[in-house]
Amino acid sequence: GAGVSQSPRYKVTKRGQDVALRCDPISGHVSLYWYRQALGQGPEFLTYFNYEAQQDKSGLPNDRFSAERPEGSISTLTIQRTEQRDSAMYRCASSPNLIDTQYFGPGTRLTVL
Amino acid sequence: KQEVTQIPAALSVPEGENLVLNCSFTDSAIYNLQWFRQDPGKGLTSLLLIQSSQREQTSGRLNASLDKSSGRSTLYIAASQPGDSATYLCAANSGGSNYKLTFGKGTLLTVNP
Repeated sequence: GAGVSQSPRYKVTKRGQDVALRCDPISGHVSLYWYRQALGQGPEFLTYFNYEAQQDKSGLPNDRFSAERPEGSISTLTIQRTEQRDSAMYRCASSPNLIDTQYFGPGTRLTVL
Repeated sequence: KQEVTQIPAALSVPEGENLVLNCSFTDSAIYNLQWFRQDPGKGLTSLLLIQSSQREQTSGRLNASLDKSSGRSTLYIAASQPGDSATYLCAANSGGSNYKLTFGKGTLLTVNP
């Protein structure tokens, strides 16, 4: 079946612009996670949802970052007023439940100029 | 706060050799531990998941073990092949009400033909 998909795969934006990154989880997966990965590092947790409820957003760096999953399926990570330090690979994962295998999407490479 | 460490950071072996990758975590109250493979510029592929109640999991030439009390996991790769060359990441799914994955920085494995 189809895996986790993310769009866009690459996003180049200018400093100060808002960006929205989309994640489409595996069908039927109730848990959805967002991570950010810098070069040479493992992914770092940003936030996660169980169904439509955002249960932990402790990893979001500041209030410019927000995420939603209004219908318990597709999720959007929004970064407002982007800064160069926001440049990274943003990865989404989904899971059948909170303690099962997390399956990762291909990621969105964000570059802020 | 959960911290995950992977040793060694890089490993180079000749083809056919058996090898062990190490992962340690500071908080033993985990739900599970997951091993991933990441190829250069690619996404994360799940290899094995060990639940906290399990001691090991096997998939083909891969065997992962878990010792919660000592905060350690190992990934054993038998009869290594050049196609096994990649970065291997371990991640702990912390316990309590916290279901995020905390990743190590990974071990870069090179298998030489």
